[in-house]
Amino acid sequence: DQQVKQNSPSLSVQEGRISILNCDYTNSMFDYFLWYKKYPAEGPTFLISISSIKDKNEDGRFTVFLNKSAKHLSLHIVPSQPGDSAVYFCAARFMDSNYQLIWGAGTKLIIKP
Amino acid sequence: EAQVTQNPRYLITVTGKKLTVTCSQNMNHEYMSWYRQDPGLGLRQIYYSMNVEVTDKGDVPEGYKVSRKEKRNFPLILESPSPNQTSLYFCASSPDLRQGSTYNSPLHFGNGTRLTVT
Repeated sequence: DQQVKQNSPSLSVQEGRISILNCDYTNSMFDYFLWYKKYPAEGPTFLISISSIKDKNEDGRFTVFLNKSAKHLSLHIVPSQPGDSAVYFCAARFMDSNYQLIWGAGTKLIIKP
Repeated sequence: EAQVTQNPRYLITVTGKKLTVTCSQNMNHEYMSWYRQDPGLGLRQIYYSMNVEVTDKGDVPEGYKVSRKEKRNFPLILESPSPNQTSLYFCASSPDLRQGSTYNSPLHFGNGTRLTVT
């Protein structure tokens, strides 16, 4: 049973528009969430994160929103650029001393010119 | 350049033939970990290491071994590979022991090793 779900395997967005990537989780013991970005033939790289005590974190064109009551977070990219085409992974951390991360399956974002 | 280096990038082997995937980091990181990525399942942790000579099982350790004899190296060993170990493997490291779970100490990944076991 996957505790972190990214239900959209892929998403296609026009260049310049907003990209919204979604992530749902089932375990209320997660206290920290991260987004990683992965290009083909490369490893994932850290993008942005949010603590469970916040509902929004912004870094340039990237904003992550957290809705704890719905156990849902989303990554907004505005405006979308061709270099944003990649696979995006959502990861959640357990609220214990082990800091274990649970990963979603990823969403492939395609930015169309 | 700060990096995590995995070798080989691609490997095709047969069932039962022992293999080792090497991982080396030049950032003096305490924490290292191995993941496998499979379609629809995301990244799953195989083993991790908090320090030299300290290793622990992750979520899917069966069929794998690791060692951490030096801080910079963390090889993944498949003693008797099977077709269900066909996957994309990533090695990762992090500066401290929070397993890459914070914004100021994220995971640094290698570029992956695509393993096919026939």
